[in-house]
Parts: sequence; C-alpha cells; structure tokens
Amino acid sequence: NAGVMQNPRHLVRRRGQEARLRCSPMKGHSHVYWYRQLPEEGLKFMVYLQKENIIDESGMPKERFSAEFPKEGPSILRIQQVVRGDSAAYFCASSPGLGPLIGELFFGEGSRLTVL
Amino acid sequence: GENVEQHPSTLSVQEGDSAVIKCTYSDSASNYFPWYKQELGKRPQLIIDIRSNVGEKKDQRIAVTLNKTAKHFSLHITETQPEDSAVYFCAAPGGSQGNLIFGKGTKLSVKP
Repeated sequence: NAGVMQNPRHLVRRRGQEARLRCSPMKGHSHVYWYRQLPEEGLKFMVYLQKENIIDESGMPKERFSAEFPKEGPSILRIQQVVRGDSAAYFCASSPGLGPLIGELFFGEGSRLTVL
Repeated sequence: GENVEQHPSTLSVQEGDSAVIKCTYSDSASNYFPWYKQELGKRPQLIIDIRSNVGEKKDQRIAVTLNKTAKHFSLHITETQPEDSAVYFCAAPGGSQGNLIFGKGTKLSVKP
C-alpha cells in the first residue's frame, strides 16, 4: 500500500508565478489535510478536505491560496502570485476518516517551495 | 479554536538519560492527543497517541501521560539513544474535530 504521495518534491518559482502542489492520499483514505512548515517552525494547519468538499479552511490565507480535492484525481493546493514569504515546506496528510473520531494522520514527504 | 503550547523548544540530553516534553491545550472538549516525530528533512510520523479515557499509555521506551483537569499532556522518553534526536510535535483536535492542531515542536538532541 503506497503511502501519501506528494509532487513535486521541490518547486522553484519566481515572484508572481503560480505554484501547484499535488497530493494523492493513501489508498482507501478519503480525508486530506494540508500543513505549512516554515524553517525551524512547527506544522501550521491550512485546510482539511474530503472528496469534493472543503471541511475546514480556517488556516488558509484569505487571498492567493486555494485547495481542492476532486472526485477523481489528487488534491491540489494552489498558490497564485507567489511571494518570497510563501517559501516553505507544504505537507499533505491523509486519514481514512472512519467514524467521528480523529486518528492517525499519515504524512507525505512534503513539497518544498522556493520563491526567488 | 484549539491552542496548543509546547515546551521546551529545544532539549539536549546525554545518551541514556530521560527526556520529557510538555504540552498544554485550551479546548476542554479535546479527546485525542498524538505525538509525532520528524527527523531532519523527513515527514512527521506518529510515535504514540492517547485518548482521554486513559491517563497514561506506554510503548517500550516511550510513554504519554494526560491530565485532563489541568489540560496538559507529556511525552516521556527513557534511556534515550542518538537515534531519538529529532523534532517532536504534540497535537490536539482542531475546532472541526476533524483536523489536528500542532505545537511548535521540540528539537531533541541526544549526545553520545
């Protein structure tokens, strides 16, 4: 059973460009989470999605950031008009979402975005 | 929403000593408290978790204790080894109860 797959692992963008980060959850998992990690800092929650639904986006910046988890295909975190402050590691995690209790989150290896 | 505070931010111990990391949370309704380990350049991985119907859980050299009245929980690592060196994160459920809010992490260094 393959783990959570994220791509690209490394992405370099110039200021003003768009960044698209993709995440395929573990097989059988229907819940996806995106976290941002700045150097030497913790994991900051951004958004929690189920298939075709955004459940909680309280950690997402109001502008330039969006996320989706379509019925088919990976979850995508999109950052428009990137700025240097967007440089970070973006981690995706998934869970099976069985029942009302949260359990273990399985993390991908992360996508490291560098904005020049 | 939930707020998770973690201390200390860095911890250095000699090999064989014990290490303790503490976290507090704000939402008294929270009922699940995991600990994740992140090695340098790697993904976070769950090492132990506890639900609020128990006060302590142990797995070999790792234990977690929970005090619901005081709203704090701690990670205990005994007989530390150099491979325990990593960043450790505590977490608690977020407002939607479907996501996790993480502490800022503790960088543990175990010196041989």
